Amino acid sequence: GQSLEQPSEVTAVEGAIVQINCTYQTSGFYGLSWYQQHDGGAPTFLSYNALDGLEETGRFSSFLSRSDSYGYLLLQELQMKDSASYFCAVNPGGNMLTFGGGTRLMVKP
Amino acid sequence: GAGVSQTPSNKVTEKGKYVELRCDPISGHTALYWYRQSLGQGPEFLIYFQGTGAADDSGLPNDRFFAVRPEGSVSTLKIQRTERGDSAMYLCASSRTSGTGELFFGEGSRLTVL
Repeated sequence: GQSLEQPSEVTAVEGAIVQINCTYQTSGFYGLSWYQQHDGGAPTFLSYNALDGLEETGRFSSFLSRSDSYGYLLLQELQMKDSASYFCAVNPGGNMLTFGGGTRLMVKP
Repeated sequence: GAGVSQTPSNKVTEKGKYVELRCDPISGHTALYWYRQSLGQGPEFLIYFQGTGAADDSGLPNDRFFAVRPEGSVSTLKIQRTERGDSAMYLCASSRTSGTGELFFGEGSRLTVL
């Protein structure tokens, strides 16, 4: 089976840095993706890591360690608009994605 | 189209009725996915199409659920004899190729079974 673990909720203040962790146990592994979903909206793609290391895209960075079955999403210079749910998702092979339960990020002023 | 389009955006039906949900993917995207999402949870995989064929339907919960993509573009998710437990947001996504980890999701069809 497949399982992905991430914290259910994280709270941070505007301007701060927050890290959302994801650990996974899957039958296969081709890569780890991160998605953002605002309330009532569609999930939108943020990043994809197939290899170990850090990928940076503006204020957001994503890290992967395949040997530890672990990754994280790092959000810097938090803004109020970053309040949303964040999902990690694994491609276990076969091209579909298995999603985690999501982390609800609340950014406070 | 500019994005993935799903219709209807909202569907309320009675237990036991038949429902069809439609997805129009981004033009040129060969891969199409259906997911189901309940409140406060992550999207749950249902079925994946590569072209016209269902490449992986392992997520369909039972034989009341069926999906087609006859011409390799628009897809329809069909639910027979709906049950209250089928109430959820049904999300469709497409991608240019498979295996990139980047899916483009539609706004979803919210199904409520009374």
